[in-house]
Amino acid sequence: GAVVSQHPSWVICKSGTSVKIECRSLDFQATTMFWYRQFPKQSLMLMATSNEGSKATYEQGVEKDKFLINHASLTLSTLTVTSAHPEDSSFYICSARVMATSSTDTQYFGPGTRLTVL
Amino acid sequence: AQKVTQAQTEISVVEKEDVTLDCVYETRDTTYYLFWYKQPPSGELVFLIRRNSFDEQNEISGRYSWNFQKSTSSFNFTITASQVVDSAVYFCALRVYNFNKFYFGSGTKLNVKP
Repeated sequence: GAVVSQHPSWVICKSGTSVKIECRSLDFQATTMFWYRQFPKQSLMLMATSNEGSKATYEQGVEKDKFLINHASLTLSTLTVTSAHPEDSSFYICSARVMATSSTDTQYFGPGTRLTVL
Repeated sequence: AQKVTQAQTEISVVEKEDVTLDCVYETRDTTYYLFWYKQPPSGELVFLIRRNSFDEQNEISGRYSWNFQKSTSSFNFTITASQVVDSAVYFCALRVYNFNKFYFGSGTKLNVKP
């Protein structure tokens, strides 16, 4: 399947700092990327949908000023957690939509980034 | 509104047993896609299968098989002769046509013991 990478795979930061997470589609172009958050032993919660060249669409309850998303190219989307606090500690997962044809329309997920805010 | 229910929170089996993971979905759309993903302890979600609403054929891939029943809005996943490496959390997901959003179930944690 298609390959999606995330960097870093884990990060520890101090409260009040900002953290940037990168999501790259390695062998395909992704017009749409998604950012999810997953708490321990819970399902994935969609945070926002990111379309290349346009503003991200945030899900209800997700602070857009807190979680800045940039989708500057067809292979890269970034999530910046601004002024991180311990409650932002979580597993963040990105995915990229492959839509070569309608029959191959699928999302492939990155390996996730574990953020710990001290 | 769309919804995916995975009623089984956690299942434990002994190696070589067969196990079925249940998935029930709700949607009023006639065109939609169903997915299964595996999330091993490492955290990365692995794509297993995609099925569209017009294709009710059951699928078999090695030890994995999927049973799609529109009449009961179910898309169940069976692992035959389970192995320890199958231990993971499995997510069922739904996406309706023309919308990007995935609706994930709460996941089923499968423990396969040697």
